[in-house]
Amino acid sequence: AQKITQTQPGMFVQEKEAVTLDCTYDTSDPSYGLFWYKQPSSGEMIFLIYQGSYDQQNATEGRYSLNFQKARKSANLVISASQLGDSAMYFCAMRESGAGSYQLTFGKGTKLSVIP
Amino acid sequence: EPEVTQTPSHQVTQMGQEVILRCVPISNHLYFYWYRQILGQKVEFLVSFYNNEISEKSEIFDDQFSVERPDGSNFTLKIRSTKLEDSAMYFCASIEDRALYNTIYFGEGSWLTVV
Repeated sequence: AQKITQTQPGMFVQEKEAVTLDCTYDTSDPSYGLFWYKQPSSGEMIFLIYQGSYDQQNATEGRYSLNFQKARKSANLVISASQLGDSAMYFCAMRESGAGSYQLTFGKGTKLSVIP
Repeated sequence: EPEVTQTPSHQVTQMGQEVILRCVPISNHLYFYWYRQILGQKVEFLVSFYNNEISEKSEIFDDQFSVERPDGSNFTLKIRSTKLEDSAMYFCASIEDRALYNTIYFGEGSWLTVV
């Protein structure tokens, strides 16, 4: 079974609008962390936001927020006021405490295109 | 902002040749990783390295691959006898310690093209 599922291969959003990128995860670990990374066309992986499984509040970082619904095992990324520079691949990833070296497991990604 | 640096940024090699990809992790970081991303696919874990030895490896990381930290700063991934399917972006990453909240920092990647 997939540990991280991103069901939207591609998304379009109008500039200045908000967009939600979906991510669901599967783990039996009580302690885990969820991450979102942005990968522009140049290829580098840019950390955006982190949510811990025990965090009571949803994480926010500037225009990025994470809609964390633990019971539903979802960790959706919300980008407010989209900008043209937000066009990129977005990857959801999870780190489980039971994974010996705390490596990340990634989803297949969502390609976001921001339309002027 | 500290960063992970990788060289080369792009390498083209003939099938069957050996390739060494180099990484300089962030200086106070203790755990190092290599990940691979085949074009258009998700990022996959290859191997983690701690205290000068492999701590975990995926099924992708077979005998063709090896890692070492030869001088206390560089962290290398060696691919012996490259195959066409080794063509991918290879990311080095590092983390300060194993706390779940700690961010894994990625390098900018090394594109490997096997022809």
